[in-house]
Amino acid sequence: EAQVTQNPRYLITVTGKKLTVTCSQNMNHEYMSWYRQDPGLGLRQIYYSMNVEVTDKGDVPEGYKVSRKEKRNFPLILESPSPNQTSLYFCASSNLNTEAFFGQGTRLTVV
Amino acid sequence: DAKTTQPPSMDCAEGRAANLPCNHSTISGNEYVYWYRQIHSQGPQYIIHGLKNNETNEMASLIITEDRKSSTLILPHATLRDTAVYYCIVRVGGDSWGKLQFGAGTQVVVTP
Repeated sequence: EAQVTQNPRYLITVTGKKLTVTCSQNMNHEYMSWYRQDPGLGLRQIYYSMNVEVTDKGDVPEGYKVSRKEKRNFPLILESPSPNQTSLYFCASSNLNTEAFFGQGTRLTVV
Repeated sequence: DAKTTQPPSMDCAEGRAANLPCNHSTISGNEYVYWYRQIHSQGPQYIIHGLKNNETNEMASLIITEDRKSSTLILPHATLRDTAVYYCIVRVGGDSWGKLQFGAGTQVVVTP
């Protein structure tokens, strides 16, 4: 089954404790991206990647890092999480001129 | 990238057609119109897309005006499971293909 898998689905952590949210797709897609969704602000793009080792900032990249060492994986790294990064996160993947597939989301709470 | 404008909310009776408008008056010739929906807090789900011609699939129909400045998503027979936020997005090819710019969308509520 074609899918984008995010882990974990839910995470509560403390300020400053580094964490990684993983994203994996099984469709051999070139494009992958991360979004955060907050009430009243909608879905905003954090980072995206056009292919292995090629990434670019989205609209809200501050406080986040990404890497694309393999085509199927695109982890989101929060080196020092803060409460304002409490949000619902989505990973997505696609190929050029095709629709994007989204993961089921990761709900992160930073206390 | 072109921006889109959608009404914030819309009600629809179950079994009736739901017509969701989207304005994208600054769209460029190589930009596609995509529609997604998000049910509660799940990941957005692809519905349909088009460039110039009208399109239909098992979920919906997409009508794009001749000047491409607006489009309408049609859910032919709305069900309660179609209650969701619907997003209209324009996308351009190349390196920017991965940049989806989501607006506020239209909250559709289907009532019995």
